Amino acid sequence: DAKTTQPNSMESNEEEPVHLPCNHSTISGTDYIHWYRQLPSQGPEYVIHGLTSNVNNRMASLAIAEDRKSSTLILHRATLRDAAVYYCILRDVIERDDKIIFGKGTRLHILP
Amino acid sequence: NAGVTQTPKFRILKIGQSMTLQCTQDMNHNYMYWYRQDPGMGLKLIYYSVGAGITDKGEVPNGYNVSRSTTEDFPLRLELAAPSQTSVYFCASSYAVTGAGELFFGEGSRLTVL
Repeated sequence: DAKTTQPNSMESNEEEPVHLPCNHSTISGTDYIHWYRQLPSQGPEYVIHGLTSNVNNRMASLAIAEDRKSSTLILHRATLRDAAVYYCILRDVIERDDKIIFGKGTRLHILP
Repeated sequence: NAGVTQTPKFRILKIGQSMTLQCTQDMNHNYMYWYRQDPGMGLKLIYYSVGAGITDKGEVPNGYNVSRSTTEDFPLRLELAAPSQTSVYFCASSYAVTGAGELFFGEGSRLTVL
């Protein structure tokens, strides 16, 4: 089973910020938090990842709770091209058994 | 770099036929994965490999086989195809960077079993 839980769907208006939550209450100290997104009819693509500190890149920001049991992907200014399914997954830093399990993700709808 | 290349992109099989989905990557990644995605659903892990000669079962391995004789290639074999195997199959790879390495996905192979 997936180690993360996400809302099934969310809706946002174009050009507004979007906050996508992810719960991972059983996260271990060696798990990285990764986010991927899947545009319609495409394979998933990497968005961002982090371990403990908040992270920023050109696509998004990742806010990680202090206890690491939840995180939030932030799209600062949503566009119609951001409509996709967003997946939050955990990846163990040890990697001896790198069984990467995806949950159902959050389907993000962007309203023009 | 071509990244992760999957072939074929589309295939129709009859029940009971067998076939191999090919996956190759040119990034010298140690880790490779096969996922399937049914319509409107998330990704399910079929098999994965942490290096040449090493493979492990994922969440839904029944009806599939894999091999990893080289770093570059990770073919997925379907034996005795069944309608339940109608799905989109994604191959992915990753460099082994202690949990921080990102996954690179192929464009997918859409399989229909009739």
